[in-house]
Formats: sequence, structure tokens, C-alpha cells
Amino acid sequence: GEDVEQSLFLSVREGDSSVINCTYTDSSSTYLYWYKQEPGAGLQLLTYIFSNMDMKQDQRLTVLLNKKDKHLSLRIADTQTGDSAIYFCAESITGGGNKLTFGTGTQLKVEL
Amino acid sequence: DTEVTQTPKHLVMGMTNKKSLKCEQHMGHRAMYWYKQKAKKPPELMFVYSYEKLSINESVPSRFSPECPNSSLLNLHLHALQPEDSALYLCASSQGDANTGELFFGEGSRLTVL
Repeated sequence: GEDVEQSLFLSVREGDSSVINCTYTDSSSTYLYWYKQEPGAGLQLLTYIFSNMDMKQDQRLTVLLNKKDKHLSLRIADTQTGDSAIYFCAESITGGGNKLTFGTGTQLKVEL
Repeated sequence: DTEVTQTPKHLVMGMTNKKSLKCEQHMGHRAMYWYKQKAKKPPELMFVYSYEKLSINESVPSRFSPECPNSSLLNLHLHALQPEDSALYLCASSQGDANTGELFFGEGSRLTVL
């Protein structure tokens, strides 16, 4: 199966760090992604990590991958009100024809 | 140009109507996708076209008919839809066989079926 689970909601204060978690079940995933969706908009790729890595940092974003536990997280440093959105993790499998399976989505609310 | 353009942005149709959603990209991508997204849910894959040929059909009902006239265009023809088909329809593209699988999404077409 290809179930990808996320917690539904996260609320943080502006300036704090946010950590969004994701668990997946398919151990043959090769790439794991984080997408952001603002209200009424499409999805924007934030970052991705290859399955043989355990960490990737890109400016305010840090992705951690624990392949043993099939756990992926996205840390946003210095969270801003513009970061309020729904965040989806997604996995793809080599040979899957670029077929992505999205997680259930986490709504991040940033409060002043 | 790193955009995927979808038209129309909003569409209201009756159950007996025939309409089409359109998607266009000029990034030279060779794979294009249709996803369906219900409110507060993740996108669900419907179709994948790779090099202008249908490569994945996720058991989508025949009332949805995709078409890829050329490598830059993707259509979704709609006929005899049901109210439960109301959703945001997202088009995406990618380089094709690129291993990163990075998808570029359009803003979506919000469909309401009365």
C-alpha cells in the first residue's frame, strides 16, 4: 500500500520554528517531497530529498528522513505569516511513471 | 516561462453538459498530469501522459476523457458529470522521465456540477 499520513493541523507563533511530520508505508520510495498549497492555488514544490539521504537543508527549510521508521519531517525556521498554508508530503517510486502519492496534508496556521 | 496555465479558472456545468478543461505549458516538459482535489483533501492522480501517450489511467470513469494534442497541451473533456465530480482539477507537468519527479502545478480549474 501507499498510505501517507500527516497530522491535520499545526499552529505556531510568528518567529518560532514549525515542524510538520509525515509517515509513509512504502519502503521502495525513492524521492520524498514537500509541497505547499495556499488557499485557492495549485501546489508549489518546496523541496525534495532522495531516499539515500537523511537530511537536506535549503535556507529556512530542513528536511529530515528516517528511512528505518519511514518518517519524514519538514522544519521551517523563523516561521512567517506567509508560511500559512497546507503542506503535503509526497512520495514517488522509481518506475512509477512519476506517480506521486500525496499525504493527507497539514494545515499550518501562523499567529502573530 | 515556468508556468502551467489552466483555463477556465471556474466552471459551472449541468449534468447533461459537455465542457473541456485546458492546460498548457511551454517548459518543454514531456509528461503531463491531471489530478482531482476535493476540499481539504490531497490531490488524487487521474491521468498521466508521457511523450503524448497515455501512460497511467487511475481507473477514472469514462465521463472524463483526457486528450494530449501535442507536448504543450493537455485537455480534459467532461460529459455527463455528477455533482460528486465537483472539485478542483489540477494540471501538472514534469520533465518526463526525470528521476526527481518534480511536478509543476497550475492554479487549477474549480468545477461545480449542478
